[in-house]
Amino acid sequence: GAGVSQTPSNKVTEKGKYVELRCDPISGHTALYWYRQSLGQGPEFLIYFQGTGAADDSGLPNDRFFAVRPEGSVSTLKIQRTERGDSAVYLCASSSLGMNTEAFFGQGTRLTVV
Amino acid sequence: AQSVTQPDIHITVSEGASLELRCNYSYGATPYLFWYVQSPGQGLQLLLKYFSGDTLVQGIKGFEAEFKRSQSSFNLRKPSVHWSDAAEYFCAVGAPEYGNKLVFGAGTILRVKS
Repeated sequence: GAGVSQTPSNKVTEKGKYVELRCDPISGHTALYWYRQSLGQGPEFLIYFQGTGAADDSGLPNDRFFAVRPEGSVSTLKIQRTERGDSAVYLCASSSLGMNTEAFFGQGTRLTVV
Repeated sequence: AQSVTQPDIHITVSEGASLELRCNYSYGATPYLFWYVQSPGQGLQLLLKYFSGDTLVQGIKGFEAEFKRSQSSFNLRKPSVHWSDAAEYFCAVGAPEYGNKLVFGAGTILRVKS
C-alpha cells in the first residue's frame, strides 16, 4: 500500500477483555515497530520486528502484551486481560533494511478500556 | 541508554515570528536524530532527519534543525511561523545498533497567535 495502515482506528473495550490491533506496513519494508503513546506523552517503544522475528521486545510492559508477524508483513499486537491503564494510541511504523533509513508511521489505533 | 529532553511543554508565538524548539539528547555515539510533527488526531509526520554529514539539515514546510554535538542538541527552527504550524512537535533519537528503534521526547505543543 501507499502507507502504513492500522486497523481499527478506534477500539473501545471493557476491562478484562482481549484485543487485537493490526498493522499493515509499507510493502517491502522488513522492519516493523510498535509504539504506545499515552495522553500528553511522546511515543514509547514496545517491540521491533526484523522479518518474522521479534528482534527487540524490551518495551513490552508485561506478559499481557504480545505481538506477532508470522509472514514478515502484517503484524498484530495482542493485549490480554486489558486494564484501564492500557488506554492509549498504539502506533505502528515500518522501515526498509539498512543504515540511514527512516520509519514511516501509521495513523494509530486509539484504544480505550472502560 | 538513549534519552531525549524537550524542555518546553508549550510554546506560543505570533504568526510571522520566528520559532525555535529545543531538543537535547543523551547517547554515547553519533545518533540519528529526527523531528516529527503531530496534528490532533493525526499520525506522526517526519519533518527532517540527521544521519551524518552537514550538521544543518533542511526539512519540509520551511523547517530546519542544527545538530550540535558539543551541546548534545538538535533544535528545530523556522524563520516565519504560519497558523497551520500549530501542532505538537516531537524530537526523537535512534541508534542503528538498536535496530533504529526511536526514543522520543515528551513533545512541545506549539500555539500560533494571529
